[in-house]
Amino acid sequence: DVKVTQSSRYLVKRTGEKVFLECVQDMDHENMFWYRQDPGLGLRLIYFSYDVKMKEKGDIPEGYSVSREKKERFSLILESASTNQTSMYLCASSGTSPRRVRTDTQYFGPGTRLTVL
Amino acid sequence: AQSVSQHNHHVILSEAASLELGCNYSYGGTVNLFWYVQYPGQHLQLLLKYFSGDPLVKGIKGFEAEFIKSKFSFNLRKPSVQWSDTAEYFCAVNARNSGTYKYIFGTGTRLKVLA
Repeated sequence: DVKVTQSSRYLVKRTGEKVFLECVQDMDHENMFWYRQDPGLGLRLIYFSYDVKMKEKGDIPEGYSVSREKKERFSLILESASTNQTSMYLCASSGTSPRRVRTDTQYFGPGTRLTVL
Repeated sequence: AQSVSQHNHHVILSEAASLELGCNYSYGGTVNLFWYVQYPGQHLQLLLKYFSGDPLVKGIKGFEAEFIKSKFSFNLRKPSVQWSDTAEYFCAVNARNSGTYKYIFGTGTRLKVLA
């Protein structure tokens, strides 16, 4: 079974803090994704990565950055946390080739519920 | 811009009732369609997907969905729901945008099944 793990289930941070959310997958997947999930808004893509050191902006990248130094690990960074970044953050991975992203199932982690005070 | 619409935000059914959750998308090109489910306290997981062939797709736990290209729809159905189907359901489209494929999720439908 594919396993996607996220470093924390719950996190509380203060406004202005730098926040790191870590995601690790164990299936040698090429593609990794970060979403935020908010009630009534569904899942919105923040960033995704097709390969090590490669990244592409999703629909709502403002206020976020990402890092992918190793294939299995994809980090989401909030440079200066703000209260409107309070949300559930979901990491996902898929595929063994960027060319197969089209039909690939995404496998999700358990999520990190971030509260910014 | 591409979008995915799920018109029912909350659905409450009694056990054994039939279920149909609507999903419409706006995109003119080739799309791949998915339904994901999130049971209480669990990860999002794939329910079923369509990318070619028979437009009627069967998934896990007795769910099925029909792709109707002319209506830009991919509605989820189950003839008889169970209490354990209580969950949030997300429709998703994977479509080509500026040279890369991107997932777009709908806003989700919360289903509550009364025992």
